[in-house]
Amino acid sequence: DAGVIQSPRHEVTEMGQEVTLRCKPISGHNSLFWYRQTMMRGLELLIYFNNNVPIDDSGMPEDRFSAKMPNASFSTLKIQPSEPRDSAVYFCASSLEGYEQYFGPGTRLTVT
Amino acid sequence: GQSLEQPSEVTAVEGAIVQINCTYQTSGFYGLSWYQQHDGGAPTFLSYNALDGLEETGRFSSFLSRSDSYGYLLLQELQMKDSASYFCAVKRGSTLGRLYFGRGTQLTVWP
Repeated sequence: DAGVIQSPRHEVTEMGQEVTLRCKPISGHNSLFWYRQTMMRGLELLIYFNNNVPIDDSGMPEDRFSAKMPNASFSTLKIQPSEPRDSAVYFCASSLEGYEQYFGPGTRLTVT
Repeated sequence: GQSLEQPSEVTAVEGAIVQINCTYQTSGFYGLSWYQQHDGGAPTFLSYNALDGLEETGRFSSFLSRSDSYGYLLLQELQMKDSASYFCAVKRGSTLGRLYFGRGTQLTVWP
């Protein structure tokens, strides 16, 4: 298996632009997690899905952030409009409701 | 809610043994996981403890005491490549696989 796939790996955009991050979880996994990591705040859970249904989005910082999982093999995290404080590494992870989460390589987002 | 505490930094020399502690406060505790993250990389799973005691995997061992709400990761025969951040994470029984991560411990191994 190729593992969790994320795209793009790097994204540089200007403030106010829309950003879409993509994730393909490991086949057969039924839980998907979106994290954000910064030096200041550490690893934060933004939202997670179980069987394609959002379970907890309390970590989404504000309405500018939205996430979807239209099917078991694809999820997106969208930021509209983006702001410089959104600059971070965004990780997607998947699991089989167990204790082991498999992380993707991350998307390094820079908003100027 | 839940909280996890672990030291922010630990340093050691090659060949030494280091222990990274993690204390937690949570309801519905189910188990404690450990993850490793190298600079510029993604977190990767190291170990999981659901029961009290020591779990050994090669040079790494993890310990859990449920009564003390405490666990640790023990790294033996340290190598330079072990320099990384180490995160403890709590699994709660009712949260469909969600993990609650600590802030991480930066381990630096010196030659």
